[in-house]
Amino acid sequence: GAGVSQSPRYKVTKRGQDVTLRCDPISSHATLYWYQQALGQGPEFLTYFNYEAQPDKSGLPSDRFSAERPEGSISTLTIQRTEQRDSAMYRCASSLGSGAYNEQFFGPGTRLTVL
Amino acid sequence: DQQVKQNSPSLSVQEGRISILNCDYTNSMFDYFLWYKKYPAEGPTFLISISSIKDKNEDGRFTVFLNKSAKHLSLHIVPSQPGDSAVYFCAASESSGTYKYIFGTGTRLKVLA
Repeated sequence: GAGVSQSPRYKVTKRGQDVTLRCDPISSHATLYWYQQALGQGPEFLTYFNYEAQPDKSGLPSDRFSAERPEGSISTLTIQRTEQRDSAMYRCASSLGSGAYNEQFFGPGTRLTVL
Repeated sequence: DQQVKQNSPSLSVQEGRISILNCDYTNSMFDYFLWYKKYPAEGPTFLISISSIKDKNEDGRFTVFLNKSAKHLSLHIVPSQPGDSAVYFCAASESSGTYKYIFGTGTRLKVLA
């Protein structure tokens, strides 16, 4: 596609519910990242994929968070048993390849609110 | 512990004047630095980058300066235009085989017409 897209743009859920966020990267991009951005902060790394491989999950805050990219294109981020502290903007980015010199293109984000 | 710091949450500048946005980092392993610009309701977009082998990189109205000894970089916008009003994020990375960008908290720039 022309750019990185994310859905939904906004999600409001009740504490304890599971949510799944979707990211559709730029079609030629091998690498996909997930970031969490709290209000007034910069994006914080959660995890990334090279095609369908997930080499690093070190940024995921707890085992309630998981991500998939089964066919190396679209990715989902799932948060189980959501808590109020999970409320944040979740951003997806993609790049041609991994490595710092590959510019990361960001999507518009999904704003998650946990009541 | 914040490895990349932007100590000014906001900055206002008159149109036509210079905007200077600052960023400090603590990790001496960082050797690649970027600035991203973010408009409301959009994702951050890449603006300019600099490798640690250089101390200056220029792209049109935008120049990034890197002072490795002070672990400090700055973004200069000359002349500033109202369309430059946005949030600017500084980011840093270790270029050797890694991928993570560590972002600062952002500086909101307002260019007054």
